[in-house]
Amino acid sequence: EAGVAQSPRYKIIEKRQSVAFWCNPISGHATLYWYQQILGQGPKLLIQFQNNGVVDDSQLPKDRFSAERLKGVDSTLKIQPAKLEDSAVYLCASSPTFLDTDTQYFGPGTRLTVL
Amino acid sequence: GESVGLHLPTLSVQEGDNSIINCAYSNSASDYFIWYKQESGKGPQFIIDIRSNMDKRQGQRVTVLLNKTVKHLSLQIAATQPGDSAVYFCAENLGGGGSYIPTFGRGTSLIVHP
Repeated sequence: EAGVAQSPRYKIIEKRQSVAFWCNPISGHATLYWYQQILGQGPKLLIQFQNNGVVDDSQLPKDRFSAERLKGVDSTLKIQPAKLEDSAVYLCASSPTFLDTDTQYFGPGTRLTVL
Repeated sequence: GESVGLHLPTLSVQEGDNSIINCAYSNSASDYFIWYKQESGKGPQFIIDIRSNMDKRQGQRVTVLLNKTVKHLSLQIAATQPGDSAVYFCAENLGGGGSYIPTFGRGTSLIVHP
């Protein structure tokens, strides 16, 4: 079974530029999560989708971050404009449902550096 | 602020020793806790979980203990191997009602010396 795919793996941009990350969850997984992991810290949940609907986005900085999962499969996370403090690894995870009985599977992440 | 945190940022052990990684949480309403292992350049990987109606749960070479009185979790790894070297995170579920909205702590780096 293929795992969670993310691209690109690395991205370097200058502050005030825009960037987008892509995630392809495990086939059949209804729930998709985006996390931000700053160096030396644990992952912080940004947004959780159930199919194409948002379950929780309380920690998403909505003035600059946006995410979509239009067809309930792939998802894109965008930052516009980027700030220095956005430098982090952006992790995508998926699970069969939103229930806590389902294991989350994480992708390898996209490492973003904002100069 | 963070509701989940770790006492020790780095733990060094010898191969074959038992390792204990600790975690404190502050939300008494949390009903589900998970330990993850994260190797360099990879996403976190599920290790073991425990619900708040349990005190102890065992897996293969790993045991999680939950002390609700002092809001403390620990992960015990028996006969630690070099492949266990990684950062370990505890996470608590703030979703409730069976849903999963996780909050991760800072992590402990486990270094296993051969």
